[in-house]
Amino acid sequence: TQLLEQSPQFLSIQEGENLTVYCNSSSVFSSLQWYRQEPGEGPVLLVTVVTGGEVKKLKRLTFQFGDARKDSSLHITAAQPGDTGLYLCAGASSGTYKYIFGTGTRLKVLA
Amino acid sequence: DSGVTQTPKHLITATGQRVTLRCSPRSGDLSVYWYQQSLDQGLQFLIQYYNGEERAKGNILERFSAQQFPDLHSELNLSSLELGDSALYFCASSPNPGLAGGPGTDTQYFGPGTRLTVL
Repeated sequence: TQLLEQSPQFLSIQEGENLTVYCNSSSVFSSLQWYRQEPGEGPVLLVTVVTGGEVKKLKRLTFQFGDARKDSSLHITAAQPGDTGLYLCAGASSGTYKYIFGTGTRLKVLA
Repeated sequence: DSGVTQTPKHLITATGQRVTLRCSPRSGDLSVYWYQQSLDQGLQFLIQYYNGEERAKGNILERFSAQQFPDLHSELNLSSLELGDSALYFCASSPNPGLAGGPGTDTQYFGPGTRLTVL
């Protein structure tokens, strides 16, 4: 069974701190996407990465796809209360393109 | 606002019953995806329809079925409901057909969800 394990599961930090969320698997993925979900709403796509080693930046958010395409990370610089939410990675497995979501990281940024 | 609408917002029913959830995609989007989000299983891809045809299947139970109509809206039918079916059900839409196993790299626009409670 393919799994996308995210760590940490929960994270509570002060405004201005930096943080990194990890998304790991033992399987190879053809692509990975990161979403943020706020309470009462559906997930919103933040980024898609497709090439091993790829790094993408979205304002204070930096996304990286591992060289072997088995893992990804999301780094937030100078976190703000507006970054609070559930962060989900999701990927299409290499070969079958079966789409699965990660276990999620719930982030709370305190003012 | 993603442009995807789902009705109803909340649904409370009893075990053994059957319910229908409805989704209207963004204008012009041909793909509709259905997802289930529960506390124990997280977010799971159920099924995709593209322009009226089933395109990809995920972890959808045999008690569940879906269809997409000529006007591109979609319905998810859940029957013989069990307590464990209580969850948030999301639909998402995309203009593209995705890949064999799901959306691939396509951008999906998620609706606000339907919260189903089975008592």
